[in-house]
Amino acid sequence: EVQLVESGGGLVQPGGSLRLSCAASGFTFSDCWMTWVRQAPGKGLEWLATIKEDGSQKFYVDSVKGRFTISRDNAKNSVYLQMNSLKVEDAAVYYCARPRPGYYLDHWGRGILVTVS
Amino acid sequence: QTVVTQEPSFSVSPGGTVTLTCGLTSGSVSTTFYPSWYQQTPGQAPHTLIYNTNTRSSGVPDRFSGSIIGNKAALTITGAQADDESDYYCILYMGGGISMFGGGTRLTVL
Repeated sequence: EVQLVESGGGLVQPGGSLRLSCAASGFTFSDCWMTWVRQAPGKGLEWLATIKEDGSQKFYVDSVKGRFTISRDNAKNSVYLQMNSLKVEDAAVYYCARPRPGYYLDHWGRGILVTVS
Repeated sequence: QTVVTQEPSFSVSPGGTVTLTCGLTSGSVSTTFYPSWYQQTPGQAPHTLIYNTNTRSSGVPDRFSGSIIGNKAALTITGAQADDESDYYCILYMGGGISMFGGGTRLTVL
């Protein structure tokens, strides 16, 4: 069974940093791209960043480019989201998800809450 | 900048049929955008319904179907049930490794 479990969320002050982790299991992690998505309170979903299987390519939405960095450690079956220079508007539930060929997301974590205040 | 558009809200009667759409502020949606659809209930992670325009995800009932109608992607629910009351999101692949969500449609079944 595919499982994605996020961790590392919490309360941070504006301007601060936080590193989210997503532990994957139930599939060959090193064969799969991975994605981070977020959802601000009461708002819609926002695709943030995607990383290729080997980490050689990374893609970001403009709103986080230069502040957020996606990375992965295939030996640990984990993907990360380093978030710097956090703003109040970055407060959201952050989801880790697995994209598949065909550009859709077939498995999602339960999400982790980030509060910026 | 191009934005992915969805109806903010929609209502359907139990047993009725509803079609939600996913468009672009500039241009037309085609299969080359690989539209996919997701259902989300409050407090839960999204659940994948449809991908590659019209392929149902495993375990999704066949009353959910996807298509292209005119210049938009569409999600049709036939025989709506009370537990279909949820938020529905589409994703379009914009190219260059970038995907975008629509703003979501809140579906009410009443």
